[in-house]
Amino acid sequence: EDQVTQSPEALRLQEGESSSLNCSYTVSGLRGLFWYRQDPGKGPEFLFTLYSAGEEKEKERLKATLTKKESFLHITAPKPEDSATYLCAAMNEAGNNRKLIWGLGTSLAVNP
Amino acid sequence: EAGVTQFPSHSVIEKGQTVTLRCDPISGHDNLYWYRRVMGKEIKFLLHFVKESKQDESGMPNNRFLAERTGGTYSTLKVQPAELEDSGVYFCASSLRTITYEQYFGPGTRLTVT
Repeated sequence: EDQVTQSPEALRLQEGESSSLNCSYTVSGLRGLFWYRQDPGKGPEFLFTLYSAGEEKEKERLKATLTKKESFLHITAPKPEDSATYLCAAMNEAGNNRKLIWGLGTSLAVNP
Repeated sequence: EAGVTQFPSHSVIEKGQTVTLRCDPISGHDNLYWYRRVMGKEIKFLLHFVKESKQDESGMPNNRFLAERTGGTYSTLKVQPAELEDSGVYFCASSLRTITYEQYFGPGTRLTVT
């Protein structure tokens, strides 16, 4: 069964303290690995899509990487405004249909 | 450019009642998705429209749920009759093309069935 697992469930960092979030997946016919950010009371906000192992993408203090089994979201020198829940989702392909399989997310708190 | 909007933002209904959720996608986005997040669990796919056609409705829980997208613009998701386990946050997302996969989400509708 297709599954996405994120760790840790929660992470508290001091401002400037770099760290990484993990997303491991077992998905048949992977068509993309997605990272989203979600703030309280809002919908997920798209960050990155990674399509193949070895691919990396960056946006400000965030960098996402992908291997054949997992993806990492590296946060460099985080700021309090980076506090949010980070969601990982894998898109599988079954026939002509594609759908996102989601992890539970990592709740990140960055203290000033 | 306006984002994905959803109405209402919150709904509290009693078991057995009917509720209709609405989603307005980003203008020009042919692909529209419905998702649900039950408290403590991951977001789950419900269904996918391409224009007015249902491309994939494999995630719909049962026949108490009915989704429509008349004219290929906004979509509605009706739950009739609602059960306690239908409580959760219902998200709508849209994308310009299926291939690029980038989906843009609305703020969600929080449904509470009492």
